[in-house]
Amino acid sequence: KAGVTQTPRYLIKTRGQQVTLSCSPISGHRSVSWYQQTPGQGLQFLFEYFSETQRNKGNFPGRFSGRQFSNSRSEMNVSTLELGDSALYLCASSADRGPSNYGYTFGSGTRLTVV
Amino acid sequence: AQSVAQPEDQVNVAEGNPLTVKCTYSVSGNPYLFWYVQYPNRGLQFLLKYITGDNLVKGSYGFEAEFNKSQTSFHLKKPSALVSDSALYFCAVRPEGSSNTGKLIFGQGTTLQVKP
Repeated sequence: KAGVTQTPRYLIKTRGQQVTLSCSPISGHRSVSWYQQTPGQGLQFLFEYFSETQRNKGNFPGRFSGRQFSNSRSEMNVSTLELGDSALYLCASSADRGPSNYGYTFGSGTRLTVV
Repeated sequence: AQSVAQPEDQVNVAEGNPLTVKCTYSVSGNPYLFWYVQYPNRGLQFLLKYITGDNLVKGSYGFEAEFNKSQTSFHLKKPSALVSDSALYFCAVRPEGSSNTGKLIFGQGTTLQVKP
């Protein structure tokens, strides 16, 4: 079955702009999580959506937001971009049907560069 | 605070030799534990997980990991390393409880270098 698809793969934006990233999970997966990966901070959890509802949120400013659609596709938005937002943004999907099924499949990521 | 530690930034091993990448964690309750591998400019690939049951978990590409509750460790091992195993390895923990849904806490990563 198809994996997790993230688009676009690469983005270059200017400080102050906003950006929207997209993630299509594995068919049948209803949970989508987002992570930011930087050399300095490593992999950090942004938020998780399940059935169009945000269930969990990490410690990021309100400029970072997300949503999930009825087909489980998710988008994350970053407003008023800062240089420090340059990172690889990864999403992960999960079936989330009990502990024995826990598993998170990651997409290839979107590389965001803010100039 | 909940955390995952990978004490070695880099592990060097000769091809054919056994390898170990270390991971310890500090979370309350009974966490779920994972190992992922990342190749340059790529996402994370799942290797294995421990949810419950047998402490020795076998995963993809010949990797295995041993869960040790008393030492709060989950070290990744492989009996015979390949040059193609060279990559960045991440240990991750999903703490127990509904308030932690979808949230993985990652270690800082360990670069594995396998030399021919």
